[in-house]
Amino acid sequence: DVKVTQSSRYLVKRTGEKVFLECVQDMDHENMFWYRQDPGLGLRLIYFSYDVKMKEKGDIPEGYSVSREKKERFSLILESASTNQTSMYLCASSYSPYNEQFFGPGTRLTVL
Amino acid sequence: KNEVEQSPQNLTAQEGEFITINCSYSVGISALHWLQQHPGGGIVSLFMLSSGKKKHGRLIATINIQEKHSSLHITASHPRDSAVYICAVRGLIQGAQKLVFGQGTRLTINP
Repeated sequence: DVKVTQSSRYLVKRTGEKVFLECVQDMDHENMFWYRQDPGLGLRLIYFSYDVKMKEKGDIPEGYSVSREKKERFSLILESASTNQTSMYLCASSYSPYNEQFFGPGTRLTVL
Repeated sequence: KNEVEQSPQNLTAQEGEFITINCSYSVGISALHWLQQHPGGGIVSLFMLSSGKKKHGRLIATINIQEKHSSLHITASHPRDSAVYICAVRGLIQGAQKLVFGQGTRLTINP
């Protein structure tokens, strides 16, 4: 079975802090995705990566950056956390962009 | 108007009832996904379909490409089916590698 893990289930940070969210998948998937999920807005794509060191902006990339140094690991970085980045963050991976995506358990981030 | 609309937003039913959740979309698509999210956050892919009908256990998903509409049915519903069900579509050409998600339908099955 595909396993996608995220570094934390719950995280509390202060405004202005640099925040790292890590995602690791164990199925040699080429494609990895970062989403945020907010009530009433559903899932929105922040960034995705289709290969090591390759990344593309999603629908809401502002305030975020990503890093993919190794195939299995995709990191989401909040350079200077703000309260409007309080959200549930979900990572996903897939064999190709056109296959089903496998999701991690999510990280609930609170920025105070 | 959202590209993907789900109805109803919330649904409460008794155990054993037949459940239908609807998804309408406004763009041409190459595939439609149904996902399930239990309390706590984890999302599981239920179906990926581009035409016709798929069945897995008590779950059935159908799609009508001409009408831009899909339904997810649950037969003999059970309290463990309580979850948020999310519809997502993949575009035809531009942005085909991205999914566009509906807002989800929260289903509660009472014993």
